[in-house]
Amino acid sequence: QVQLQESGPGLVKPSQTLSLTCTVSGGSISSGSYYWGWIRQPAGKGLEWIGRISTSGSTNYNPSLKSRLIISIDMSKNQFSLNLSSVTAADTAVYFCARGIPGSGRFDYWGQGTLVTVSS
Amino acid sequence: QSALTQPASVSGSPGQSITISCSGGSSDVGAYNYVSWYQHHPGKAPKLMIYEVNNRPSGISNRFSGSKSGNTASLTISGLQAEDEADYYCSSYTSSRTLVFGGGTKLTVL
Repeated sequence: QVQLQESGPGLVKPSQTLSLTCTVSGGSISSGSYYWGWIRQPAGKGLEWIGRISTSGSTNYNPSLKSRLIISIDMSKNQFSLNLSSVTAADTAVYFCARGIPGSGRFDYWGQGTLVTVSS
Repeated sequence: QSALTQPASVSGSPGQSITISCSGGSSDVGAYNYVSWYQHHPGKAPKLMIYEVNNRPSGISNRFSGSKSGNTASLTISGLQAEDEADYYCSSYTSSRTLVFGGGTKLTVL
């Protein structure tokens, strides 16, 4: 059973960089042709797709976040990461990581989510 | 990219059927059969209920079904149960090689 767990600081100051890591267990991140994605949910709002990375390192980003966003993958650690720069209060949200199925657009396994608050 | 349009809330009594719509455009819902539906209980991980418009993952009840017509997809839940009360989100692949979610629908079981 594949499991994903988000980790990282729960509080980030405005203008700084938000960094989160997703650790995958129960299977190798490099096996199969999956992609690995990030989704967030601001309080009281809906889900927002952030972006995704394939095991080959190919990325796709939400156009509204693209200029501030880097998603990377470390197969030796079975992890992938999110870096969002120049954050503001609008980036305060619960951040989820998930496994995606190519050619489908679906996420079949999700992490529990982690709350990140942007505040001074 | 704009979020897909879902009703903010729907409700139904136990045993009844409800349908949640998900409206997009010709570059997302209308262009691909890559519409998914997720059930989300606050504080928990979202759960995939339907993928590729009308396919159920293993273990998902056949009370859940999906369909699509033009730029609008729909999720139908039949035989409503108290445990179905949750937020539901649709998502679609887009022509920009991105994904987009709907704004979410809160289902209340009366």
